[in-house]
Amino acid sequence: DQQVKQNSPSLSVQEGRISILNCDYTNSMFDYFLWYKKYPAEGPTFLISISSIKDKNEDGRFTVFLNKSAKHLSLHIVPSQPGDSAVYFCAAIGYGGSQGNLIFGKGTKLSVKP
Amino acid sequence: DADVTQTPRNRITKTGKRIMLECSQTKGHDRMYWYRQDPGLGLQLIYYSFDVKDINKGEISDGYSVSRQAQAKFSLSLESAIPNQTALYFCATSHGGRAYNEQFFGPGTRLTVL
Repeated sequence: DQQVKQNSPSLSVQEGRISILNCDYTNSMFDYFLWYKKYPAEGPTFLISISSIKDKNEDGRFTVFLNKSAKHLSLHIVPSQPGDSAVYFCAAIGYGGSQGNLIFGKGTKLSVKP
Repeated sequence: DADVTQTPRNRITKTGKRIMLECSQTKGHDRMYWYRQDPGLGLQLIYYSFDVKDINKGEISDGYSVSRQAQAKFSLSLESAIPNQTALYFCATSHGGRAYNEQFFGPGTRLTVL
């Protein structure tokens, strides 16, 4: 049973426009959420995170929004750049039984076209 | 120099062979993890270790074993490799404690079992 879901396997966006990547979760014990970015032939790298006590966290072009009532978070990239083309993983953590380990979604492949 | 290194980066082996993947880190982190990534399946946790004397099974530990030789070293073994263990394997580290949930990943090992 997937606790963290990224329902869009891929997303294509024009350079300069906004990219919105979505993530849903089912476990109400999750209280911290992270986004990772992965280029081919590299390990995932941390991008941005948000605590459940907040509904928004911004870092430069990247903003993560959290809607706890809907158990939904999204990553906004504005403006999108070709170098943003990568696979983005949503991850969640909480003390619901996994001793605080990260639970990852399956990823969304973002393609930003020049 | 990379903070989290994995050796080998690529390995092709035959069914039934014993394989060891190694991970070293210079970040001084207590926690280390082994993940497996299959296409379209995201990252799945195989084993994790919160310190040298603490080893725990993850979601998909069957067919794998680990050894935490030192704070900086965590190795993953496939005692008798089988073709469905063909995947990308990532090692990760993190600081212990509730405030440090970010995990830092190595570059990955691509394993092919024929």
